[in-house]
Amino acid sequence: EAQVTQNPRYLITVTGKKLTVTCSQNMNHEYMSWYRQDPGLGLRQIYYSMNVEVTDKGDVPEGYKVSRKEKRNFPLILESPSPNQTSLYFCASSPGLAGTDTQYFGPGTRLTVL
Amino acid sequence: TQLLEQSPQFLSIQEGENLTVYCNSSSVFSSLQWYRQEPGEGPVLLVTVVTGGEVKKLKRLTFQFGDARKDSSLHITAAQPGDTGLYLCAGSHNNDMRFGAGTRLTVKP
Repeated sequence: EAQVTQNPRYLITVTGKKLTVTCSQNMNHEYMSWYRQDPGLGLRQIYYSMNVEVTDKGDVPEGYKVSRKEKRNFPLILESPSPNQTSLYFCASSPGLAGTDTQYFGPGTRLTVL
Repeated sequence: TQLLEQSPQFLSIQEGENLTVYCNSSSVFSSLQWYRQEPGEGPVLLVTVVTGGEVKKLKRLTFQFGDARKDSSLHITAAQPGDTGLYLCAGSHNNDMRFGAGTRLTVKP
């Protein structure tokens, strides 16, 4: 089954404790991205990647890191999480540019930083 | 900054009614997409429109892209409880993609 998977689905952590949210897609898509979704603000893009070893900042990259060592995986790293990073996070992938191709979203990771 | 404003923010209607939700911006987009998101899940693409004035139909859903490619509307005919969800529009220009905050639709049986 074609899908985007994220782990964990739920995470509660404390300020400053490094964490990684994994994202994997099995559709051989070139383009992957991370979003955060907050009430009243919609989805905001954190980082995106157009191919292996190619990553770019989105609208809200501060406090986040990503890597794209393999085509299928695009982990999101929070080196020192803070409470304002409490949010619902989505990973997405698409064959080409997100605006013209269908973007497939993962099920989301709800992160709480205390 | 390309901002997308969606209206209304919330909409609650009875089954069988028609409705229209709007997505507006002061910026021009090369394409615009509509997604539906259900609780506990990621957004799912409904449609992509790329040409000014374009109209696309998906069963009871009609999508229109404004002539100037700055706005879009989604019209649902004879809404059903299964249409309940968060409807998001997303505009794209070059590699930049922006989402609106969404319209939360509830269709009561």
